[in-house]
Amino acid sequence: AQSVSQHNHHVILSEAASLELGCNYSYGGTVNLFWYVQYPGQHLQLLLKYFSGDPLVKGIKGFEAEFIKSKFSFNLRKPSVQWSDTAEYFCAVNSNYQLIWGAGTKLIIKP
Amino acid sequence: DTAVSQTPKYLVTQMGNDKSIKCEQNLGHDTMYWYKQDSKKFLKIMFSYNNKELIINETVPNRFSPKSPDKAHLNLHINSLELGDSAVYFCASSQTSGRAYEQYFGPGTRLTVT
Repeated sequence: AQSVSQHNHHVILSEAASLELGCNYSYGGTVNLFWYVQYPGQHLQLLLKYFSGDPLVKGIKGFEAEFIKSKFSFNLRKPSVQWSDTAEYFCAVNSNYQLIWGAGTKLIIKP
Repeated sequence: DTAVSQTPKYLVTQMGNDKSIKCEQNLGHDTMYWYKQDSKKFLKIMFSYNNKELIINETVPNRFSPKSPDKAHLNLHINSLELGDSAVYFCASSQTSGRAYEQYFGPGTRLTVT
């Protein structure tokens, strides 16, 4: 069965630092991949998604992610984080009518 | 124009009570979901309905019962509430006929059982 691993449970960075959050899925084949963000006290919102085509996907708020099929990975990146990026980040992959979710990464940005 | 709405936003109740949470989506999606998010932010799928048919029924106590009167609504009824039911419950919807799978989430219902 499909599973998703997010390697970092907690990440603490200073403002303007670069960010990379890891995400790996277990099962090959055709996949749709997603990153969602949950700001404190809010619901999950889509940051970006990959369905096909260019493996480098750009999302909202300056985020991007790269799909590397050979590594079963879909890492999230941002060149320069801001305090407002403090949130929980979730990676997900589709499987049989549902999304399989990673455990989330809590990102804290120090001002 | 809220795409996925849930009521109530907050629910505080005592152990043993029965409560319901309602969800509505106006996106025309064919599939709706209930998730439970615990204090560690872990997202657990509970149920999913596709065109009013139950398609995902994860291992949850049978005190939890979903009901989908139509494609746009998915309600969650919880009997005999327990302390461990305290969590945030999210409703979501997606259009799966085209394999899109992108899910849109409601604002959540924070359930506190005392």
